[in-house]
Amino acid sequence: DGGITQSPKYLFRKEGQNVTLSCEQNLNHDAMYWYRQDPGQGLRLIYYSQIVNDFQKGDIAEGYSVSREKKESFPLTVTSAQKNPTAFYLCASSMTNNEQFFGPGTRLTVL
Amino acid sequence: GENVEQHPSTLSVQEGDSAVIKCTYSDSASNYFPWYKQELGKRPQLIIDIRSNVGEKKDQRIAVTLNKTAKHFSLHITETQPEDSAVYFCAASNPDSGYALNFGKGTSLLVTP
Repeated sequence: DGGITQSPKYLFRKEGQNVTLSCEQNLNHDAMYWYRQDPGQGLRLIYYSQIVNDFQKGDIAEGYSVSREKKESFPLTVTSAQKNPTAFYLCASSMTNNEQFFGPGTRLTVL
Repeated sequence: GENVEQHPSTLSVQEGDSAVIKCTYSDSASNYFPWYKQELGKRPQLIIDIRSNVGEKKDQRIAVTLNKTAKHFSLHITETQPEDSAVYFCAASNPDSGYALNFGKGTSLLVTP
């Protein structure tokens, strides 16, 4: 449970606005992931990073961007190009091919 | 890419009965299969996992079986309790995608007293 945090818990975005979701971990994990969850759906992969200064697109990367400047941090920016961003966003971290630990999530709503 | 199918989408059982949730995957390169439990508004929590070199794993009332040839794996919960009520997700991890998880769409389990 502990060791991975996300902020804010709730976020409201206006049309045309970029917003950034924070994800921090102190578990010394190499890999970090961003997933999006919509009602009645499983989690879908947005971006992942296996090492600092490197990241890869997931299945639904359009309209999102990330950075991995520090091992502990993997922020996600939801840009205005993402037309339907209202969802529950979950960040996770792991040692390679082991249990992924999830943060508490950020619920993003478009006004 | 990997495609994970999960059935059923909803499952209702009486307290004390068993519950079985089944998943299939498409990519034979997938080699790690976790199961997560998610309560409403909360983060997913790992309940059990299995690797491709193992056929079965058990932890108290929970067990997972894996059939690599058929590309399917199942979650078994025995002696269900009301606190088992939640949404359960299966997932498959593939080295070709950085070991990111491909999730099924979830099973909403309701255990009635």
